[in-house]
Parts: sequence; structure tokens; C-alpha cells
Amino acid sequence: SQQGEEDPQALSIQEGENATMNCSYKTSINNLQWYRQNSGRGLVHLILIRSNEREKHSGRLRVTLDTSKKSSSLLITASRAADTASYFCATPLGGLNFGKGTSLLVTP
Amino acid sequence: SQTIHQWPATLVQPVGSPLSLECTVEGTSNPNLYWYRQAAGRGLQLLFYSVGIGQISSEVPQNLSASRPQDRQFILSSKKLLLSDSGFYLCAWNKAGGMDEQYFGPGTRLTVT
Repeated sequence: SQQGEEDPQALSIQEGENATMNCSYKTSINNLQWYRQNSGRGLVHLILIRSNEREKHSGRLRVTLDTSKKSSSLLITASRAADTASYFCATPLGGLNFGKGTSLLVTP
Repeated sequence: SQTIHQWPATLVQPVGSPLSLECTVEGTSNPNLYWYRQAAGRGLQLLFYSVGIGQISSEVPQNLSASRPQDRQFILSSKKLLLSDSGFYLCAWNKAGGMDEQYFGPGTRLTVT
């Protein structure tokens, strides 16, 4: 069964705007990871946040984690057309349990 | 640096035919290895993972099997493909311990006709 569920399923914004994606999960976690997938390609790891962390930054990415609500959010600031991709959250349990992803479209 | 290879990139196979997909990792030793499948427009489903040579854990009962004949080689197989086996197959690795980020290969697009 899928551990993470992203929301929204699809998001369309203009360049320069911020994009926020949310993820909910069901069980206790060691960490939560965000990945990006360009169409028809493999996944690329973006950021990992551990269960004892509440916020983490990497470049234009900001991830938050609320273990009491079993939720996480990914914020992409000042989006670019090149950010167009699908974004997945995942939690480790054996392998990774992925949500269905958020499809982000950034238009010029 | 580490790299992960998968082949073939695309494959079209008839129902009932066998399957063999290969994944190899370079630049690391004793990695954890994973096979995932992604159906069209869906998230990834973990199929198998391996923490060492000959050690395979299956997550989903199905028509597929996996083997790890060498430390950095992971093979996904089927004796007889089903239409439902179509999808995008991704191999991934991470460091022993298994909880941290995974590194994915480019994937194999399998179409069963």
C-alpha cells in the first residue's frame, strides 16, 4: 500500500511564482524524502528530512515536516519553466513507499 | 563517482514471452538494490529489494522474480509476461543501512502486447 499521498495531484503556475506541494503519510518514519521525475525519466533525489527535523532548505527548496500530523510540504520558490516535472514524497520501509505524486507545470 | 545503468531502455514483448532486465551499479560496493514499477500516471511500487548477493525480498506477489548474482548486479525476470506487466521499471541503489536517499537508473519502458 502507498504510504505517502501528495496534494494537489496537479499544479499549474507561472514562472516566478511559488509552488507548494503537500504530502501525508500513515506510519512512524525515520525520514521523509522528496524526489523529482521529468517525463519518462528516472527519479532524482531532492531533499531528505529526518524525523527530528522540522524544516530544511536546499537552494530554492524548502521542506517542512510535522510528525504530529504525519505531513510534509515542499515549497519551490521563484519557480522556473525547468521545474516542470512530477514530484513525489517517499518514506523508507524496506524500500521506499511513494505517493502518487504532484504534477507541476510552470509556464513562461 | 557512482553510476547506475539499466538496459534495455525500451522493450516491446508479446504476452507469454520471457523477460530479463538488468541493472548494474558502478563506483560503490555492497549497495542495497531495488526494483520499482511505475504504471502510467502513477507513483512507484516497490517490487524487490536486496541487501546482498543472493538475498532478495519480495514486496508484491506477482509474475516477476529478481536475482542478484553479483554484488552490483540486479536482474528482474519473468518466465511468461502478462499484459499487466507493462510499465516503467526503475532500478535504484543506496548505501548499506537502507534508510537514506536512493539513486535511480534511467528506467526501462516495457510494453507487453
